Amino acid sequence: EPEVTQTPSHQVTQMGQEVILRCVPISNHLYFYWYRQILGQKVEFLVSFYNNEISEKSEIFDDQFSVERPDGSNFTLKIRSTKLEDSAMYFCASSGTGSGYTFGSGTRLTVV
Amino acid sequence: GESVGLHLPTLSVQEGDNSIINCAYSNSASDYFIWYKQESGKGPQFIIDIRSNMDKRQGQRVTVLLNKTVKHLSLQIAATQPGDSAVYFCAETKGPAGTYKYIFGTGTRLKVLA
Repeated sequence: EPEVTQTPSHQVTQMGQEVILRCVPISNHLYFYWYRQILGQKVEFLVSFYNNEISEKSEIFDDQFSVERPDGSNFTLKIRSTKLEDSAMYFCASSGTGSGYTFGSGTRLTVV
Repeated sequence: GESVGLHLPTLSVQEGDNSIINCAYSNSASDYFIWYKQESGKGPQFIIDIRSNMDKRQGQRVTVLLNKTVKHLSLQIAATQPGDSAVYFCAETKGPAGTYKYIFGTGTRLKVLA
């Protein structure tokens, strides 16, 4: 069964550092998403991406965040200057028209 | 505004019994609803979905019920097994499946007792 792959599974970074979280969506999917989940809380929408541009973003997704699909297979989330409150699980998801999301296993980001 | 919430944060059931997990939503424009299962350290896993033009949908050991009148969604798991222990989230969205953001509920932890 096709999977969404995320790397790394766990990233520890110092406050103020840049991090890039990587995702390989399912190959024939057209819609891509990043969500995050702070420990013990619900999954929150960050951004959706379609046709090589952001289609929607939440208020969480401020100027410190960016997404990119650099090569047609990877989908990345960059946080320019991490803050302690960015510590969370970050989930990538992809979907095709008419199908629900497939989520990756997540990247646990710990900002120290 | 939009919100999806769950009535019970933790549900404990005996192995073999049926489980019912509930969810309330408030956005009348939502027309597609999904239940996800999340095991510790893993991403949400799709269980079952339902469109707003239906009130019931069955899968393997799972049934989703949708009551649009009171904006209520439930997940029924028949003959609950230890492997069903996880956190269950409902999510709502609108439009064709997969093309819009999902709004997730807080989650209910299901504990299956041997």
